[in-house]
Amino acid sequence: NAGVTQTPKFRVLKTGQSMTLLCAQDMNHEYMYWYRQDPGMGLRLIHYSVGEGTTAKGEVPDGYNVSRLKKQNFLLGLESAAPSQTSVYFCASSRPHDRVANYGYTFGSGTRLTVV
Amino acid sequence: KQEVTQIPAALSVPEGENLVLNCSFTDSAIYNLQWFRQDPGKGLTSLLLIQSSQREQTSGRLNASLDKSSGRSTLYIAASQPGDSATYLCAARKQDNFNKFYFGSGTKLNVKP
Repeated sequence: NAGVTQTPKFRVLKTGQSMTLLCAQDMNHEYMYWYRQDPGMGLRLIHYSVGEGTTAKGEVPDGYNVSRLKKQNFLLGLESAAPSQTSVYFCASSRPHDRVANYGYTFGSGTRLTVV
Repeated sequence: KQEVTQIPAALSVPEGENLVLNCSFTDSAIYNLQWFRQDPGKGLTSLLLIQSSQREQTSGRLNASLDKSSGRSTLYIAASQPGDSATYLCAARKQDNFNKFYFGSGTKLNVKP
Protein backbone atom coordinates (compact mmCIF):
# COMPACT_ATOMS: atom_id res chain seq x y z
CA ASN A 1 0.00 0.00 0.00
CA ALA A 2 2.37 2.71 -1.28
CA GLY A 3 -0.16 5.57 -1.38
CA VAL A 4 1.69 8.74 -2.40
CA THR A 5 5.41 8.46 -3.12
CA GLN A 6 7.74 11.43 -3.52
CA THR A 7 11.24 11.36 -5.00
CA PRO A 8 13.81 12.44 -4.09
CA LYS A 9 13.54 12.75 -0.30
CA PHE A 10 16.42 15.20 0.00
CA ARG A 11 18.21 17.48 -2.44
CA VAL A 12 20.71 20.32 -2.32
CA LEU A 13 20.80 22.69 -5.29
CA LYS A 14 22.97 25.61 -6.20
CA THR A 15 21.26 28.88 -7.08
CA GLY A 16 20.22 28.85 -10.71
CA GLN A 17 20.14 25.08 -11.09
CA SER A 18 17.01 23.28 -12.19
CA MET A 19 15.35 20.14 -10.94
CA THR A 20 12.14 18.14 -11.04
CA LEU A 21 10.32 16.62 -8.08
CA LEU A 22 8.23 13.56 -8.81
CA CYS A 23 5.01 12.58 -7.12
CA ALA A 24 3.38 9.23 -7.84
CA GLN A 25 0.12 7.85 -6.44
CA ASP A 26 -1.36 4.40 -6.84
CA MET A 27 -4.88 5.12 -5.56
CA ASN A 28 -6.35 6.20 -8.89
CA HIS A 29 -6.99 9.67 -7.47
CA GLU A 30 -8.12 12.36 -9.88
CA TYR A 31 -6.80 15.33 -7.94
CA MET A 32 -3.16 16.01 -7.07
CA TYR A 33 -1.49 18.91 -5.31
CA TRP A 34 1.91 20.38 -4.52
CA TYR A 35 2.44 22.25 -1.26
CA ARG A 36 5.43 23.83 0.37
CA GLN A 37 5.91 23.99 4.14
CA ASP A 38 8.00 26.69 5.74
CA PRO A 39 8.61 27.20 9.49
CA GLY A 40 5.76 29.08 11.16
CA MET A 41 3.76 29.41 7.93
CA GLY A 42 1.92 26.13 7.61
CA LEU A 43 1.44 24.58 4.18
CA ARG A 44 0.85 26.72 1.12
CA LEU A 45 -0.55 25.45 -2.17
CA ILE A 46 1.79 25.86 -5.16
CA HIS A 47 -0.08 24.17 -8.03
CA TYR A 48 -2.75 21.56 -8.37
CA SER A 49 -4.34 19.32 -10.97
CA VAL A 50 -7.90 18.04 -11.26
CA GLY A 51 -7.11 15.44 -13.88
CA GLU A 52 -4.65 14.15 -16.43
CA GLY A 53 -3.46 16.93 -18.70
CA THR A 54 -4.78 19.75 -16.48
CA THR A 55 -2.97 22.04 -14.05
CA ALA A 56 -3.85 25.20 -12.16
CA LYS A 57 -2.10 27.79 -10.01
CA GLY A 58 -2.39 27.77 -6.27
CA GLU A 59 -1.43 30.34 -3.69
CA VAL A 60 2.33 30.61 -4.39
CA PRO A 61 2.98 29.46 -8.00
CA ASP A 62 5.79 31.82 -9.00
CA GLY A 63 9.08 30.11 -9.83
CA TYR A 64 7.48 26.69 -10.29
CA ASN A 65 5.99 24.74 -13.17
CA VAL A 66 4.03 21.50 -13.13
CA SER A 67 2.90 18.79 -15.48
CA ARG A 68 0.36 15.96 -15.26
CA LEU A 69 0.98 13.84 -18.32
CA LYS A 70 -0.20 10.67 -16.60
CA LYS A 71 -2.97 10.36 -14.05
CA GLN A 72 -0.73 8.76 -11.46
CA ASN A 73 2.14 11.28 -11.72
CA PHE A 74 2.42 14.97 -10.89
CA LEU A 75 5.75 16.68 -11.52
CA LEU A 76 6.97 19.91 -9.94
CA GLY A 77 9.77 21.75 -11.72
CA LEU A 78 12.09 24.50 -10.61
CA GLU A 79 13.66 26.10 -13.67
CA SER A 80 16.13 28.36 -11.86
CA ALA A 81 16.33 27.62 -8.16
CA ALA A 82 16.56 30.46 -5.66
CA PRO A 83 17.40 30.38 -1.92
CA SER A 84 13.80 31.47 -1.21
CA GLN A 85 12.69 28.09 -2.55
CA THR A 86 14.44 26.28 0.29
CA SER A 87 11.55 24.42 1.88
CA VAL A 88 9.91 21.07 2.44
CA TYR A 89 7.68 20.11 -0.47
CA PHE A 90 4.66 17.88 -0.04
CA CYS A 91 2.55 16.21 -2.65
CA ALA A 92 -1.02 15.15 -1.92
CA SER A 93 -3.82 13.46 -3.77
CA SER A 94 -7.55 13.03 -3.35
CA ARG A 95 -10.65 11.71 -5.04
CA PRO A 96 -12.98 14.17 -6.75
CA HIS A 97 -14.97 16.27 -4.34
CA ASP A 98 -18.39 14.83 -3.84
CA ARG A 99 -21.00 16.49 -1.66
CA VAL A 100 -22.48 13.15 -0.68
CA ALA A 101 -19.31 11.31 0.21
CA ASN A 102 -16.57 13.57 1.47
CA TYR A 103 -12.92 12.77 0.94
CA GLY A 104 -9.81 14.16 2.47
CA TYR A 105 -6.23 14.21 1.37
CA THR A 106 -3.45 11.61 1.32
CA PHE A 107 0.03 13.09 1.65
CA GLY A 108 3.47 11.94 0.62
CA SER A 109 6.35 12.01 3.09
CA GLY A 110 7.92 15.14 1.62
CA THR A 111 11.06 16.34 -0.17
CA ARG A 112 13.47 18.52 1.76
CA LEU A 113 15.08 20.95 -0.68
CA THR A 114 17.95 23.29 0.16
CA VAL A 115 19.09 25.94 -2.31
CA VAL A 116 22.52 27.41 -1.57
CA LYS B 1 -8.83 34.96 1.82
CA GLN B 2 -9.21 32.29 4.47
CA GLU B 3 -6.88 32.69 7.44
CA VAL B 4 -6.38 29.69 9.71
CA THR B 5 -4.76 30.15 13.11
CA GLN B 6 -3.69 27.57 15.65
CA ILE B 7 -3.01 28.41 19.26
CA PRO B 8 -0.85 27.56 21.10
CA ALA B 9 2.12 27.03 18.80
CA ALA B 10 3.58 24.55 21.29
CA LEU B 11 2.22 22.62 24.23
CA SER B 12 3.89 20.34 26.78
CA VAL B 13 1.81 18.15 29.08
CA PRO B 14 2.40 15.18 31.40
CA GLU B 15 1.27 11.76 30.28
CA GLY B 16 -2.35 10.96 31.03
CA GLU B 17 -3.64 14.51 30.80
CA ASN B 18 -6.62 15.41 28.64
CA LEU B 19 -5.92 18.31 26.30
CA VAL B 20 -7.52 20.57 23.70
CA LEU B 21 -5.93 22.00 20.59
CA ASN B 22 -7.54 25.03 19.01
CA CYS B 23 -8.04 26.05 15.40
CA SER B 24 -9.78 29.23 14.25
CA PHE B 25 -10.69 30.35 10.75
CA THR B 26 -11.85 33.71 9.44
CA ASP B 27 -14.27 32.66 6.68
CA SER B 28 -17.17 30.56 7.94
CA ALA B 29 -18.06 29.44 4.38
CA ILE B 30 -16.05 26.27 4.65
CA TYR B 31 -16.79 22.94 2.98
CA ASN B 32 -14.99 20.83 5.54
CA LEU B 33 -12.19 20.91 8.07
CA GLN B 34 -9.51 18.27 8.47
CA TRP B 35 -7.08 17.57 11.31
CA PHE B 36 -3.67 16.11 10.51
CA ARG B 37 -0.76 14.77 12.50
CA GLN B 38 2.82 15.34 11.37
CA ASP B 39 5.77 13.51 12.87
CA PRO B 40 9.28 14.99 12.51
CA GLY B 41 10.62 14.48 9.00
CA LYS B 42 7.44 12.79 7.89
CA GLY B 43 4.37 13.64 5.87
CA LEU B 44 0.90 14.40 7.13
CA THR B 45 -1.45 11.72 8.40
CA SER B 46 -5.15 12.45 8.34
CA LEU B 47 -6.81 12.10 11.76
CA LEU B 48 -10.34 13.39 11.40
CA LEU B 49 -12.44 15.05 8.73
CA ILE B 50 -15.52 17.09 9.66
CA GLN B 51 -18.00 18.11 7.01
CA SER B 52 -19.52 21.59 7.29
CA SER B 53 -22.88 20.04 8.21
CA GLN B 54 -21.39 18.09 11.13
CA ARG B 55 -20.65 19.24 14.66
CA GLU B 56 -18.07 16.65 15.64
CA GLN B 57 -16.20 13.50 14.70
CA THR B 58 -14.62 10.90 16.95
CA SER B 59 -11.87 8.36 16.43
CA GLY B 60 -10.60 6.46 19.45
CA ARG B 61 -9.19 8.96 21.97
CA LEU B 62 -9.61 11.84 19.53
CA ASN B 63 -12.65 14.06 19.20
CA ALA B 64 -12.85 17.00 16.84
CA SER B 65 -15.60 19.61 16.97
CA LEU B 66 -16.64 22.28 14.51
CA ASP B 67 -18.49 25.52 15.15
CA LYS B 68 -18.81 27.36 11.85
CA SER B 69 -20.63 30.34 13.28
CA SER B 70 -17.76 31.18 15.62
CA GLY B 71 -15.07 30.05 13.18
CA ARG B 72 -13.59 27.48 15.53
CA SER B 73 -12.60 23.86 15.64
CA THR B 74 -11.08 21.97 18.53
CA LEU B 75 -9.23 18.68 18.73
CA TYR B 76 -9.65 16.93 22.06
CA ILE B 77 -7.13 14.24 23.00
CA ALA B 78 -8.06 12.07 25.94
CA ALA B 79 -5.56 10.38 28.24
CA SER B 80 -2.53 11.63 26.32
CA GLN B 81 0.42 9.31 25.71
CA PRO B 82 4.06 9.97 24.75
CA GLY B 83 3.26 8.50 21.34
CA ASP B 84 0.89 11.41 20.77
CA SER B 85 3.87 13.77 20.60
CA ALA B 86 3.78 15.36 17.14
CA THR B 87 2.68 18.51 15.36
CA TYR B 88 -1.05 18.78 14.78
CA LEU B 89 -2.35 20.82 11.86
CA CYS B 90 -5.85 21.83 10.93
CA ALA B 91 -6.90 22.70 7.39
CA ALA B 92 -10.11 24.29 6.13
CA ARG B 93 -11.46 23.73 2.64
CA LYS B 94 -13.50 26.54 1.12
CA GLN B 95 -16.98 26.06 -0.27
CA ASP B 96 -16.32 28.01 -3.44
CA ASN B 97 -13.11 26.23 -4.34
CA PHE B 98 -12.83 22.64 -3.23
CA ASN B 99 -9.28 22.45 -4.39
CA LYS B 100 -7.93 24.92 -1.89
CA PHE B 101 -7.11 23.80 1.60
CA TYR B 102 -5.94 26.53 3.98
CA PHE B 103 -3.59 25.23 6.63
CA GLY B 104 -2.80 26.51 10.08
CA SER B 105 0.83 26.58 11.14
CA GLY B 106 0.30 23.79 13.65
CA THR B 107 0.56 23.06 17.36
CA LYS B 108 3.63 21.11 18.43
CA LEU B 109 2.62 18.74 21.22
CA ASN B 110 5.04 17.11 23.64
CA VAL B 111 3.66 14.51 26.04
CA LYS B 112 6.13 13.82 28.83
CA PRO B 113 6.35 10.30 30.31
